[in-house]
Amino acid sequence: DQQVKQNSPSLSVQEGRISILNCDYTNSMFDYFLWYKKYPAEGPTFLISISSIKDKNEDGRFTVFLNKSAKHLSLHIVPSQPGDSAVYFCAASDQVPDKLIFGTGTRLQVFP
Amino acid sequence: DVKVTQSSRYLVKRTGEKVFLECVQDMDHENMFWYRQDPGLGLRLIYFSYDVKMKEKGDIPEGYSVSREKKERFSLILESASTNQTSMYLCASSLGVAGQETQYFGPGTRLLVL
Repeated sequence: DQQVKQNSPSLSVQEGRISILNCDYTNSMFDYFLWYKKYPAEGPTFLISISSIKDKNEDGRFTVFLNKSAKHLSLHIVPSQPGDSAVYFCAASDQVPDKLIFGTGTRLQVFP
Repeated sequence: DVKVTQSSRYLVKRTGEKVFLECVQDMDHENMFWYRQDPGLGLRLIYFSYDVKMKEKGDIPEGYSVSREKKERFSLILESASTNQTSMYLCASSLGVAGQETQYFGPGTRLLVL
């Protein structure tokens, strides 16, 4: 049973526009959420996180929104750049101990 | 910056061989993790460890074992490699403090079992 779901396997966005990546979860006990970015043949790199006590966290071009009632989080990238082309994973923490549950990933392609 | 290193980037082994994947972190992190990544399946947790000599099964431990003799080193062992263990293997570590759940990943080892 997939506790963290990324229903869009891929997304294509024009350079300069907004990219919105979505993630849904089923476990209301999750209290910390993260986004990772992964290039081919490399390990995932941490991008941004949000605690369940917040509904928004911003870091430069990246903003993560959390809607606890809907059990939904999203990552906004504005403006999108070709270097953002990668696979993005969302993850949720169940703190046992600091164990992360990952989604299946969304491949973002930013074209000129 | 946290640095997590993995012993090999690419590995080719034959069915039935014993395979060792090594991971080292240099930030004195308490927790270490082994994942495998397969297309369409995301990252799946194989084993993790929150202390030296401690280990816990993840979601897909079958066919694998681990060893953590020192805090900075976490080894993944494939006792008898099979073709369905062809995958990208990722090691990660985290501080082990509440509110600091961020995991930091190594570059990965792409294993091909023939």
